[in-house]
Order: sequence, then structure tokens, then C-alpha cells
Amino acid sequence: GAVVSQHPSWVICKSGTSVKIECRSLDFQATTMFWYRQFPKQSLMLMATSNEGSKATYEQGVEKDKFLINHASLTLSTLTVTSAHPEDSSFYICSANGLFRDSPLHFGNGTRLTVT
Amino acid sequence: AQSVTQLGSHVSVSEGALVLLRCNYSSSVPPYLFWYVQYPNQGLQLLLKYTSAATLVKGINGFEAEFKKSETSFHLTKPSAHMSDAAEYFCAVIQGGSEKLVFGKGTKLTVNP
Repeated sequence: GAVVSQHPSWVICKSGTSVKIECRSLDFQATTMFWYRQFPKQSLMLMATSNEGSKATYEQGVEKDKFLINHASLTLSTLTVTSAHPEDSSFYICSANGLFRDSPLHFGNGTRLTVT
Repeated sequence: AQSVTQLGSHVSVSEGALVLLRCNYSSSVPPYLFWYVQYPNQGLQLLLKYTSAATLVKGINGFEAEFKKSETSFHLTKPSAHMSDAAEYFCAVIQGGSEKLVFGKGTKLTVNP
């Protein structure tokens, strides 16, 4: 079945630095990928929709300059957390859709970001 | 906007007992509904989906869900719980006109020996 690979699975960084998270669709082309953030013991909140070859669409309240999304190819989207602060510490999950709207979204295994 | 509500943030059952996780949706048109499972520090795995083909949907790991339009519900059930079923479960709906998944708040299932 389709697989989405997310890397790294965990990262620790210092305040003020930037961290890049990669999301790859391994055996299918994903024109659209999604980035979610999950706080401890809470649900997933959609941050942005990543569109191949165009600008990402951010959800209300998400800082586009802080969470930079690049979808340079049909199999790769990246999320860069710039000038990280401790409050950015969270679990970030990407997903990619299949061919049709009712296709299940395939999720990466998530990235645990800790900012010290 | 379409949304889902999961009743009960925590559900605890004994091993071998029936599992019932509740989900109600809010939608003016037939929705696409999903149940996902999340194990600690992992992504989400699709259990099953409803796309209007059949009201009773069978998924993986012995789970199934029934779409009831009259009750706007899509509850997840499993006849006999296993210890390995302990996880967080999310009900989700696709927003009309988009491919965005909107998740419920999740239900943590605990299975007691």
C-alpha cells in the first residue's frame, strides 16, 4: 500500500534555530500534502495544505513566516520551523492523499520536536 | 462547516468485552467519514471509511462502524477487545469541496486484563 515517510522522527533544537521536517510519498505522487500539529493528549490541528508547485495554504492563526512549507516535487514536502521557541514543541504529522477525494489520507509517523 | 464530535475522551473496557466508541457528525450533505487509530508517538492508521457505498463498514483488526443518517452517527465497534487495541482513536470527516480532514478530539481506549 501507499506509504508516507516522515523524517526525522524526533528532533531537539535550541531556541532561535530552525528545523526542517521532510514528508515523502514513497510509491505515489502527491500533488497535495497536509501538515498537522498535535499537542499532548489532543487532536490533530491542520496547519496548512501544501500544493506542489505553488504556495501553501495556511489555516487561520498559523504563522506562514514561522512555518515555511515547500512542496518542490510530487513526492516531497518540507516544513521548516523558523526561529523555534519552546512553545513550538509539539508533534508534527504530515499526510498525503490518494487519487480520489474519498481516498484515505496516508500519514507519516510524525516528528516529535522539542525546543530547549 | 462539517465537523465530528466524539463522545467520551476516555473509554475503558475489559479484555474480551465489547468496544463502542461514539462519533456524531455535523453535515448537510452525505459526508465521507473515517476512523483512525494512533499508537503513542506514531502517525495515524486508517481503520475504516464510509463513502456512501454501504452503511455498515468493516475495517481492519476486527473493527466496524455503522453509518446512521437518522442519528448522524458513525460509531466504531469491536465485539471483543484485545490488549493491543489500547490506543487513541479519531473520527474524521472530509470537508465539503476540499480534501481536508477534520478530526474529532479523540477517544483514548484502555483495555484492562
